[in-house]
Amino acid sequence: EIVLTQSPDFQSVTPKEKVTITCRASQSIGSSLHWYQQKPDQSPKLLIEYASQSSSGVPSRFSGSGSGTDFTLTINSLEVEDAATYYCHQSSSLPLTFGGGTKVEIK
Amino acid sequence: QVQLQQSGPGLVKPSQTLSLTCVISGDSVSSNSVGWNWIRQSPSRGLEWLGRTYYRSKWNYDYAESVKSRITINPDRAKNQFSLQLNSVTPEDTAVYYCAREDWKYHWFDPWGQGTLVTVSS
Repeated sequence: EIVLTQSPDFQSVTPKEKVTITCRASQSIGSSLHWYQQKPDQSPKLLIEYASQSSSGVPSRFSGSGSGTDFTLTINSLEVEDAATYYCHQSSSLPLTFGGGTKVEIK
Repeated sequence: QVQLQQSGPGLVKPSQTLSLTCVISGDSVSSNSVGWNWIRQSPSRGLEWLGRTYYRSKWNYDYAESVKSRITINPDRAKNQFSLQLNSVTPEDTAVYYCAREDWKYHWFDPWGQGTLVTVSS
């Protein structure tokens, strides 16, 4: 099973600051890594597809990068509405697995 | 626009069977280009993929090892829906359960159902 390790677990950030979240895979997964945003009491929402492709309708301040084992989600100029927990997900092999999540709080 | 609507009981007794249904609108359960998944979320286990079904000339199924002996996912072409059955539940199965569509090219999940909190308790 591929284990995804996210860091940090929690981040408290001022609006307009830049946020960087990392996801490390226990073995190489190519670009089969996706990012989701989950707000309280909501379902996860797809943000970034295949490591770096923004999903339809996602604001341009969200971007993804990486391949192999190391991936990054970046939020440029954080907005209040971005307060949420962010998860990475690998689809390289079964079982499909998720990272433990990074909670982003607005200061 | 694809939408997934979940239904099912929120309380199940220990040793009984958890049953949830996911109704699909805007797509077909027998589409050749997607898969249909169940995922759960709990504070102790985080997001956990449970299994999927997909149609490629015949129905196929993949299940997580952790639940493989207890899980069944059933597609229903007539009602355009798919269901989850999890047998012999324990309090550790208490979680929010989601259905989700899986893109078959890159295998991301979009969209997700609204989620159903299922509590296992007597």
